[in-house]
Amino acid sequence: QQPVQSPQAVILREGEDAVINCSSSKALYSVHWYRQKHGEAPVFLMILLKGGEQKGHDKISASFNEKKQQSSLYLTASQLSYSGTYFCGTDGSSNTGKLIFGQGTTLQVKP
Amino acid sequence: DAGVIQSPRHEVTEMGQEVTLRCKPISGHDYLFWYRQTMMRGLELLIYFNNNVPIDDSGMPEDRFSAKMPNASFSTLKIQPSEPRDSAVYFCASSLEGSDTEAFFGQGTRLTVV
Repeated sequence: QQPVQSPQAVILREGEDAVINCSSSKALYSVHWYRQKHGEAPVFLMILLKGGEQKGHDKISASFNEKKQQSSLYLTASQLSYSGTYFCGTDGSSNTGKLIFGQGTTLQVKP
Repeated sequence: DAGVIQSPRHEVTEMGQEVTLRCKPISGHDYLFWYRQTMMRGLELLIYFNNNVPIDDSGMPEDRFSAKMPNASFSTLKIQPSEPRDSAVYFCASSLEGSDTEAFFGQGTRLTVV
C-alpha cells in the first residue's frame, strides 16, 4: 500500500520553514525520508522506527506518530540546496525490508 | 566502497528487443531492490531480494520482466520483449539489514524504448 504525501508541491523563500507529511492506511514498522534532485538518485535523509528510534542527519528533523500511522519531515530555515523532490518510504508492521515510496513532494526554494 | 553501481547509464533500444540492466550492490548488504521511476507512477518497487533470494516480485509489471541475483555482488533486470511503455529510469538500491537501515541507490539506468 503506497503511502500518501502532502502537499504535492511547495514553494518557499530562503529562510522559511516547511513541513511535509506522509500517511499510511496500514500500521508501520519504519518510515524513511529521501531527497532526490533532478537527474540524480534519491539520497537518504532519515529513518524513523517503531518504538521511537531515529537515524539520520543532525540537521533534519522528523516525527513518527505510530498510532496515526503518519510521519512529518520538518525543514527549517530552508536553503537553496533543499530544493528537490522528497519521498517517504514505508515498511509494514514488521521488518519485512519491503520499502514502498509515496508519490513525492516537490520543494522549490527561491532566493 | 564505490556505492551501488548500475550499468548501462543510458539505454536506447527498439521495441521488441531484449534489454538487460545490471546492478552491483554495496558489499555486505543483504537486501537488493529494483525500482522503476516515471512521472506518472513515481518510484515503484518492482522486486527485492534478501540474501540473493527473491522475496517479493509482486511489483513486476508482467511476464516480460524478470530479475535474477546469481550471487551477492550482482543482479540483473531483464525485459523481453521491450515496449515503449517500459521507458523509465530504473534504480537499483541496496541496504544492510532491511528497512531499519538506509537504502543506497545507484545512479539509475535511463531506458528509452522506441
